[in-house]
Amino acid sequence: DAKTTQPPSMDCAEGRAANLPCNHSTISGNEYVYWYRQIHSQGPQYIIHGLKNNETNEMASLIITEDRKSSTLILPHATLRDTAVYYCIVRLPIQGAQKLVFGQGTRLTINP
Amino acid sequence: NAGVMQNPRHLVRRRGQEARLRCSPMKGHSHVYWYRQLPEEGLKFMVYLQKENIIDESGMPKERFSAEFPKEGPSILRIQQVVRGDSAAYFCASSIQGAGNSPLHFGNGTRLTVT
Repeated sequence: DAKTTQPPSMDCAEGRAANLPCNHSTISGNEYVYWYRQIHSQGPQYIIHGLKNNETNEMASLIITEDRKSSTLILPHATLRDTAVYYCIVRLPIQGAQKLVFGQGTRLTINP
Repeated sequence: NAGVMQNPRHLVRRRGQEARLRCSPMKGHSHVYWYRQLPEEGLKFMVYLQKENIIDESGMPKERFSAEFPKEGPSILRIQQVVRGDSAAYFCASSIQGAGNSPLHFGNGTRLTVT
């Protein structure tokens, strides 16, 4: 799996949009970009994933650059409950290589 | 639709005992993954199983650890002769397919404490 680079920590004010960047400059053409988060002491929570196109669901939006070398996760209206460690992961769609490899992630703190 | 269920939530074992951690995947999911998170550290992949088969065990310690996912029943992660260094949170995840565009969904983990 291609490696990802994320800032170790970020702060965001409650009610504002939180934009979390991720660099994956060595991504290959068939690797998906996944985002998970882990709220303290809970299991990782799936947020969103995409291949080439931008994606949106009830939790967040994922913006992938045209060259696919970076992406941004957007939480449109951050709340205190969004405080968590956010992981950006790239994943090969190859049989037998389905595991997710977690890095250090970005510790996002939402401030009141 | 119930999520991934892990039990027990907390498990205390004395050194030398056996620990058995159970994971029931989401309904319809036949792929199971186990991860370990040591205190203040990141999530580390241990093993990936598909019904009755181990597909990838590259993250499993060579001794004392084993995993199974029988045709019927939950997946089991077994740790024999536990040591204090085994104290960690163990998370199970499941997916409906093994394909790269099939998200993993995680349970809330079993916290193992070895005294």
